[in-house]
Amino acid sequence: KNQVEQSPQSLIILEGKNCTLQCNYTVSPFSNLRWYKQDTGRGPVSLTIMTFSENTKSNGRYTATLDADTKQSSLHITASQLSDSASYICVVSAGWASKIIFGSGTRLSIRP
Amino acid sequence: SQTIHQWPATLVQPVGSPLSLECTVEGTSNPNLYWYRQAAGRGLQLLFYSVGIGQISSEVPQNLSASRPQDRQFILSSKKLLLSDSGFYLCAWSVTGDNQPQHFGDGTRLSIL
Repeated sequence: KNQVEQSPQSLIILEGKNCTLQCNYTVSPFSNLRWYKQDTGRGPVSLTIMTFSENTKSNGRYTATLDADTKQSSLHITASQLSDSASYICVVSAGWASKIIFGSGTRLSIRP
Repeated sequence: SQTIHQWPATLVQPVGSPLSLECTVEGTSNPNLYWYRQAAGRGLQLLFYSVGIGQISSEVPQNLSASRPQDRQFILSSKKLLLSDSGFYLCAWSVTGDNQPQHFGDGTRLSIL
């Protein structure tokens, strides 16, 4: 069964600290893995997309890694800011449209 | 630049009433269009997707339907809403091709009373 599991479900850290969010998947065949940021009451916004051959990709203070052998990905946030408070969603594509599987997200809260 | 608009932002409807949610995309042609529902603590669930005008694929059998009367317009409808239809509905678009990101609207919060 195609699944995407994220951990932790929620996380609270102090402003300025780093954190790492995890994503494990069993989606097959694998096409790409995406990380999205979703602010409360808004639609998700794409942060990174990685294909099978890519094992790391950065977008500012966000760095995503992918291990296609172990089917794991992580999103590392450096020097967190209050605006980083949001849900972070891992999405794995096994092809197209109906084969895009969304994780349930990690709710990140940054405290001043 | 491309933009996506959804409306209304929030909607409160009684059980049994009809529904029409609209989504339009600007700045691109022939986009792939999607309707998702997001329940609290759950991943997004794909409801419908469309690769062109009048072409709709349904992923989950339910009392909802979708239509694409124009290239950049996607409508989610229901003739008779159920309590279980409450949720956060998101419209998204993407260009054709592999490894293309989906771009989401800001969603409609639908509450059924």
